[in-house]
Amino acid sequence: DIVMTQSPDSLAVSLGERATINCKSSQSVLYSSNNKNYLAWYQQKPGQPPKLVIYWASIRESGVPDRFSGSGSGTDFTLTISSLQAEDVAVYYCQQYYSSPPTFGQGTKLEIK
Amino acid sequence: QITLKESGPTLVKPTQTLTLTCTFSGFSLSSSGVGVGWIRQPPGKALEWLALIYWNDDERYSPSLRNRLTITKDTSKNQVVLTMTNMDPVDTGTYYCAHSSIGYCSSTSCLNYFDPWGQGTLVTVSS
Repeated sequence: DIVMTQSPDSLAVSLGERATINCKSSQSVLYSSNNKNYLAWYQQKPGQPPKLVIYWASIRESGVPDRFSGSGSGTDFTLTISSLQAEDVAVYYCQQYYSSPPTFGQGTKLEIK
Repeated sequence: QITLKESGPTLVKPTQTLTLTCTFSGFSLSSSGVGVGWIRQPPGKALEWLALIYWNDDERYSPSLRNRLTITKDTSKNQVVLTMTNMDPVDTGTYYCAHSSIGYCSSTSCLNYFDPWGQGTLVTVSS
């Protein structure tokens, strides 16, 4: 199985500041034949199901504010929120879908400082 | 608009079999490429994928739970059913179903991300 490791486990950022969450996979999730990284990011607010934020490592899901961006390739990925808003408080998960079984990171809890 | 909703018992006893139903709308599981997956989340913990079924009856299971899981679909009812045998207190958690599809195939699989998810159903395993 591909192990997904996120850092940090928790993060406190001031409103309007940048938040950065990292995700590292134990094997590359980049398929060279199509140059796609099989990596998604989800946002889970308290009491709610996960919501897809980013897929293919850098494509923002429809309706997601443009302050959210995804980057990285191979084994190292980053979710960046350029200017933190109060409604961004949540736990964020990365997920690889390069190989079965699909696996998730342990989550990063994002809070307001 | 795609929606999914999980239903089933909120409390099961150890060793019992859990049966959960995912009822969905906005898509058909008879359409090529479409799939529905199950993912669970113990209280305060991370997400764990359990199983996935595709339009063509292709079934995929978590290797660690394969011998306890069965996923089936009823296309006419727009439902997917997950059964998990020999329940244990460590299986306590929220169980989600989610829409997926066949994606761009990698060298090893044709998996995809999950979107959207149902609201989830909390299952407690206790005597």
